[in-house]
Amino acid sequence: LAKTTQPISMDSYEGQEVNITCSHNNIATNDYITWYQQFPSQGPRFIIQGYKTKVTNEVASLFIPADRKSSTLSLPRVSLSDTAVYYCLADSGGYQKVTFGTGTKLQVIP
Amino acid sequence: SAVISQKPSRDICQRGTSLTIQCQVDSQVTMMFWYRQQPGQSLTLIATANQGSEATYESGFVIDKFPISRPNLTFSTLTVSNMSPEDSSIYLCSVWGVVNTGELFFGEGSRLTVL
Repeated sequence: LAKTTQPISMDSYEGQEVNITCSHNNIATNDYITWYQQFPSQGPRFIIQGYKTKVTNEVASLFIPADRKSSTLSLPRVSLSDTAVYYCLADSGGYQKVTFGTGTKLQVIP
Repeated sequence: SAVISQKPSRDICQRGTSLTIQCQVDSQVTMMFWYRQQPGQSLTLIATANQGSEATYESGFVIDKFPISRPNLTFSTLTVSNMSPEDSSIYLCSVWGVVNTGELFFGEGSRLTVL
């Protein structure tokens, strides 16, 4: 299981774009990069997943360079409700156990 | 998708007692995962529960302390035995979606406080 490294915490003002980077130097060929969001007193929730290049959905964008050793989660125009912990995972995409890294605690400031 | 219900949502327990947490999924799944999340920390995988076989425990977790049952494809229990204050955590049940979209689904968690 590829180990991921991400910043422990970040602060951002409302309305700004937030980019959270994740390093996964030992990612395996069949691993996907997946991001989860966790609010206090809730279980993590899937945000986005990608293998390479760029993926975008209604919530976020995920940028993965060609070497796949890192990825960047981009949250456009954050609001106070985006204050949460964001976890980056590198996993095979299904039916295997998954371990979580430290996560990034994002605090959005008014 | 998968909808997961956990019971209890929270409880306060006395040292030395045991508590069983239930996890019910709205669809049949092969693997169910139990995680622990200590205050302010990330999730730590306790074990993987497959129906019809013994659970597989991660390093640092043992069956005597965290016995797991998996009687069918929609249900599992995790017991926290002989609790101490260090067991105060949120315990989360998780499954992969029935359709392999690479998405893990989580219950809301069971918050245990041990006095």
